[in-house]
Amino acid sequence: QKEVEQNSGPLSVPEGAIASLNCTYSDRGSQSFFWYRQYSGKSPELIMSIYSNGDKEDGRFTAQLNKASQYVSLLIRDSQPSDSATYLCAVNGNDYKLSFGAGTTVTVRA
Amino acid sequence: DTGVSQDPRHKITKRGQNVTFRCDPISEHNRLYWYRQTLGQGPEFLTYFQNEAQLEKSRLLSDRFSAERPKGSFSTLEIQRTEQGDSAMYLCASSLVPGPRGPEAFFGQGTRLTVV
Repeated sequence: QKEVEQNSGPLSVPEGAIASLNCTYSDRGSQSFFWYRQYSGKSPELIMSIYSNGDKEDGRFTAQLNKASQYVSLLIRDSQPSDSATYLCAVNGNDYKLSFGAGTTVTVRA
Repeated sequence: DTGVSQDPRHKITKRGQNVTFRCDPISEHNRLYWYRQTLGQGPEFLTYFQNEAQLEKSRLLSDRFSAERPKGSFSTLEIQRTEQGDSAMYLCASSLVPGPRGPEAFFGQGTRLTVV
């Protein structure tokens, strides 16, 4: 079983819609959770971090964490063409080593 | 704060040659990570340092790979006797642990290695 799994893409959404990305992790002791955005040919860029159960909102992005279900998600509201990218879920254990999922590619169509 | 810097950005080498990459982390960060990423995959963990101590190496890191972080500042990743399968993007990230923003890690621009 992979440490971090993301829903397979690609995910295509119309402009203005909500994009929903899901991630599950295997290490129940994981403490910190992150979402990175990666444009083609570029390096990952941190967009959200979440450490406690519940929702965390930052602009058009909302991260949701449920440690009991070992589940973290990212919602992108009012999706824009500039949101077209691969979104990587990353998880830290007690040792702070970051483990990544394979990523979900999002395409926002005008 | 100039961000994480990696050098070179691109490297083309012949199979069997040795290559070395450099990473300069964000200045106050004590944790430094190396990852490898191939097309369509997420970053694969290679190794990480807490200050100058190398805390863990991935099983993916064969004896052809070595990393150092002298004096807990910049880090180098060397690949000896390169193989075509080493072609990938090599990513460096740094974080401050513990830190006021939690263990957020920030990536450099990456070094794209092509082995021909």
